[in-house]
Parts: sequence; structure tokens; C-alpha cells
Amino acid sequence: DAGVIQSPRHEVTEMGQEVTLRCKPISGHDYLFWYRQTMMRGLELLIYFNNNVPIDDSGMPEDRFSAKMPNASFSTLKIQPSEPRDSAVYFCASSSNQGAGGNTIYFGEGSWLTVV
Amino acid sequence: KNQVEQSPQSLIILEGKNCTLQCNYTVSPFSNLRWYKQDTGRGPVSLTIMTFSENTKSNGRYTATLDADTKQSSLHITASQLSDSASYICVVKKDYKLSFGAGTTVTVRA
Repeated sequence: DAGVIQSPRHEVTEMGQEVTLRCKPISGHDYLFWYRQTMMRGLELLIYFNNNVPIDDSGMPEDRFSAKMPNASFSTLKIQPSEPRDSAVYFCASSSNQGAGGNTIYFGEGSWLTVV
Repeated sequence: KNQVEQSPQSLIILEGKNCTLQCNYTVSPFSNLRWYKQDTGRGPVSLTIMTFSENTKSNGRYTATLDADTKQSSLHITASQLSDSASYICVVKKDYKLSFGAGTTVTVRA
């Protein structure tokens, strides 16, 4: 399997522009997560989906952030309008089971966003 | 205050030597505790997963231990290699939520 695939790997954009990050989870995984990583705050959960349905978006910073999962093989995280403080690495991750046994969560390589 | 604290923040070791990373957590009860390795510029990769009833779990030269009574875990790296240079992140899972430590940055020098 190719693993979790994210695009773009790197993006530099101007403040105020719309940014769309894309993710293809591992085939067969029914959980998808969006995380943000910064030096100051480490890894933070933004939102997660189960079977394409958003379950918990309490980590989404504000209304400028939105996420969708139109089907089992694709998800987007959109920031509109972007601000310099949004600069971070955004990771998508997927898992096949969220039960107490805790299957492995597989991370993509991340999308490195810089807002200038 | 972070529910998962890691120490040291960083360390440098010589190739071939051993080292131990510490993780203290307050999340309780929890489903499992995980150690991830994150190479620079890459996504985290799972090393070990332990439930609260497990005391130790190995993955090659990596051995994780868990003491649920003291709420401590450690990750021991044996015979370090240059490729072990990375950030190691302790993660505690409760329900669906993962609590991440800030990570320990390990640098292995030849």
C-alpha cells in the first residue's frame, strides 16, 4: 500500500489566500484524522472522520478552517482566508479501528504550509 | 499543563551506545500508550503500542516499558545507529483522543 498520501507537500501562500490541503487515506481505513504540528504546540488534533462523517471538530481553530470527506478515499482541509499564524505542518492520518485495542494510526508525510 | 511530559527534551549520543527516553503522563484511565518516531521532514511512524496491562513491548532495537502505577513509560534504544536520529513522541490514547508529548530529539553521532 502507498500509505496516506497528502498534497501538496509544500505550499507558500500570501495572507488572505485560500489554501486547500488534500489527503488520500489508506484503502480500507474508516477513520481519518487531520492534525497540525508546530514547534510551540506540538501535534494537535483538528478534526476526525469515521466512515466519512465528521465526529469531532472541536480542535478546528476557528471558522476559517473547514474539512470535508466526500468519499472514503479523499478528504480536504481548507483554510480561508489564511493567516501567517496558520503556518505549520498539517498531517493527515488514517486508521482501521478506533476501539480500545487501538490499531496503529498511520500518518502521511505532511503538508508544510507557510503563509507570508 | 500537558498531560504527557517527555524528558529529556533532547540528547546526543555516540553511535553504538544505548539511551533511554522518559514519558510521564496524567491521562487516566487510558486505552493504550504509543511511541512514535518522527524523522525530520516526515510524518510520525509508530514504533510500539502498549495497553495498560502490558509492561514491555519490543520492536527491533526499540524497547518500550510501561508502569501504569507510576504513570511512566520509557523507550530504550539499544546499539544506536545514525538512522535513529529523530524525534520520539510519546502518545497516550483515551477513547478516541490522543494526547501527544512534545517529543525528545535524539541525535546520534558517529
